[in-house]
Amino acid sequence: ETGVTQTPRHLVMGMTNKKSLKCEQHLGHNAMYWYKQSAKKPLELMFVYNFKEQTENNSVPSRFSPECPNSSHLFLHLHTLQPEDSALYLCASSQVGDRGYRGYTFGSGTRLTVV
Amino acid sequence: KQEVTQIPAALSVPEGENLVLNCSFTDSAIYNLQWFRQDPGKGLTSLLLIQSSQREQTSGRLNASLDKSSGRSTLYIAASQPGDSATYLCAVMFGNQFYFGTGTSLTVIP
Repeated sequence: ETGVTQTPRHLVMGMTNKKSLKCEQHLGHNAMYWYKQSAKKPLELMFVYNFKEQTENNSVPSRFSPECPNSSHLFLHLHTLQPEDSALYLCASSQVGDRGYRGYTFGSGTRLTVV
Repeated sequence: KQEVTQIPAALSVPEGENLVLNCSFTDSAIYNLQWFRQDPGKGLTSLLLIQSSQREQTSGRLNASLDKSSGRSTLYIAASQPGDSATYLCAVMFGNQFYFGTGTSLTVIP
């Protein structure tokens, strides 16, 4: 399998549940990202991992917890979410080189609904 | 901070028409600019990537231009087809992250 794969595609969870989103990239990239896409808003960067180290956390609430065990896998652990957290969560990867970041490759996203 | 604006927010054209989508950004010190396509409920598909040293990129019926000094990019779609209907997003690499516009929703009418 090639590209960036996200699972699950759809997720419905209650406000007291704990769930995890998974992202896997088969491109040999060294940087991975989580984005949130809400209706009528630009994509919001949540977390950035370069070489497995978290380099960005854009003031994301602690109910979202990222994990990057290796350069190919990225998780987003969710707990005690709010209805306003319902959105499309997108994972992306990129190759970071001496000349800076290159283009992104995105996964298909996880459509999250919090009830 | 970088702000990215896309105009128009929505566009409807008859099949076969050529069209231009616009993207503007506030800080010209960008590394690159990328155009994406997003179908409803799906992820983003990369269309064209323009490095900061380039002026344009072409792929099939698509041509993207970049004018860093004026903070503008355009995506030109030739001979539009119903399958081109989607939301088109512009993103600029600034600092160490991409900044996205809100997109242009394109509908091509058969």
